[in-house]
Amino acid sequence: EAGVVQSPRYKIIEKKQPVAFWCNPISGHNTLYWYLQNLGQGPELLIRYENEEAVDDSQLPKDRFSAERLKGVDSTLKIQPAELGDSAVYLCASSPGGGRGNTEAFFGQGTRLTVV
Amino acid sequence: QKEVEQDPGPLSVPEGAIVSLNCTYSNSAFQYFMWYRQYSRKGPELLMYTYSSGNKEDGRFTAQVDKSSKYISLFIRDSQPSDSATYLCAMSGGSNYKLTFGKGTLLTVNP
Repeated sequence: EAGVVQSPRYKIIEKKQPVAFWCNPISGHNTLYWYLQNLGQGPELLIRYENEEAVDDSQLPKDRFSAERLKGVDSTLKIQPAELGDSAVYLCASSPGGGRGNTEAFFGQGTRLTVV
Repeated sequence: QKEVEQDPGPLSVPEGAIVSLNCTYSNSAFQYFMWYRQYSRKGPELLMYTYSSGNKEDGRFTAQVDKSSKYISLFIRDSQPSDSATYLCAMSGGSNYKLTFGKGTLLTVNP
């Protein structure tokens, strides 16, 4: 069974440029998460989806970050414009979820973003 | 005080040692407890997933949860150099199912 797939693995962009990350969760997983991980830190939640609904986006900097999950499957996270401080690893995860509290979450390899 | 506290280490042990990794938490609503292993430049890999208090064993790994003390542990027996990685604890519960992570503990097992 395929795991969570993310692309690209690495991205280098200049500040003020836009960037987008893509995630394909494990088949059948209703819950999808985007996390941000800075060096030496644990992942921090940006947004959580239950199917196509964003149920927790309280940590998403909405002035520059946006996300969507079309048809409740794949998801895209966008930053526009990127700032130097956005350099980090962006992780996507999925879990069976469905409101049953099953948060057994599986992560993708992440996208390492460097803003120069 | 952060919701989840984890000793960042680093922790260095000889091959074959028993390793103990720990996290404390403050949110009484947490019911689901996880341990992840993260190799350098890789995504976190789920090692153990437990619900409520008690022990769970999987091969060389044992996870313990003590909800009365708000304390969870991961034990690694007969540690191997391939166990060298960062170990992250994570937990969730209540009406919000988001995972809250510790900072991670960097473990090195020396041959």
